[in-house]
Amino acid sequence: NAGVTQTPKFRILKIGQSMTLQCAQDMNHNYMYWYRQDPGMGLKLIYYSVGAGITDKGEVPNGYNVSRSTTEDFPLRLELAAPSQTSVYFCASSPRNSGRPYGEQFFGPGTRLTVL
Amino acid sequence: DAKTTQPTSMDCAEGRAANLPCNHSTISGNEYVYWYRQIHSQGPQYIIHGLKNNETNEMASLIITEDRKSSTLILPHATLRDTAVYYCIVPSGGSNYKLTFGKGTLLTVNP
Repeated sequence: NAGVTQTPKFRILKIGQSMTLQCAQDMNHNYMYWYRQDPGMGLKLIYYSVGAGITDKGEVPNGYNVSRSTTEDFPLRLELAAPSQTSVYFCASSPRNSGRPYGEQFFGPGTRLTVL
Repeated sequence: DAKTTQPTSMDCAEGRAANLPCNHSTISGNEYVYWYRQIHSQGPQYIIHGLKNNETNEMASLIITEDRKSSTLILPHATLRDTAVYYCIVPSGGSNYKLTFGKGTLLTVNP
């Protein structure tokens, strides 16, 4: 299994540009998440999904959109990029197992985004 | 999430046990304690979790006090590769899938 993969690894955007960060997992996990991590800080949840067709906002959703048309893919869309969105973005997934907590998340390698 | 308190940084000698404390005095009865770590520039990595009993896996041991208000993550024989930020997380209630990562503890393992 490749686990959780993210593309691109690095990207520089100009203010006002848009882009989509790709995330895919091959573990058949129901739950997927997007986090951002600013320098020296912990991770903040942007959006999450509990299954195909179902998404919900996390702690910092403004300026982002997501979709979940398949179990495997969970792209994050940035519209009208701003310098405040300069960050490292991590995608994660977790399984849903009956009788178990869901807190074991598997993370991708991250996308480093700079908005100038 | 239940609030957790961790030291900002700790040092450990290579080969010795690293004991990382976490206070979670507001934890409720059905809330789990999770530990993750993040090696520089990489995505976080799940280590271990527990409810009330001590837990051990191939990476670490988790000791939870009887009143569940604190816990300790133990790396029995720390190596240089264990240098990382360690996060103690207590998700709230039924939302075990929505984790809040604070600033964690930077563990530096010295040769």
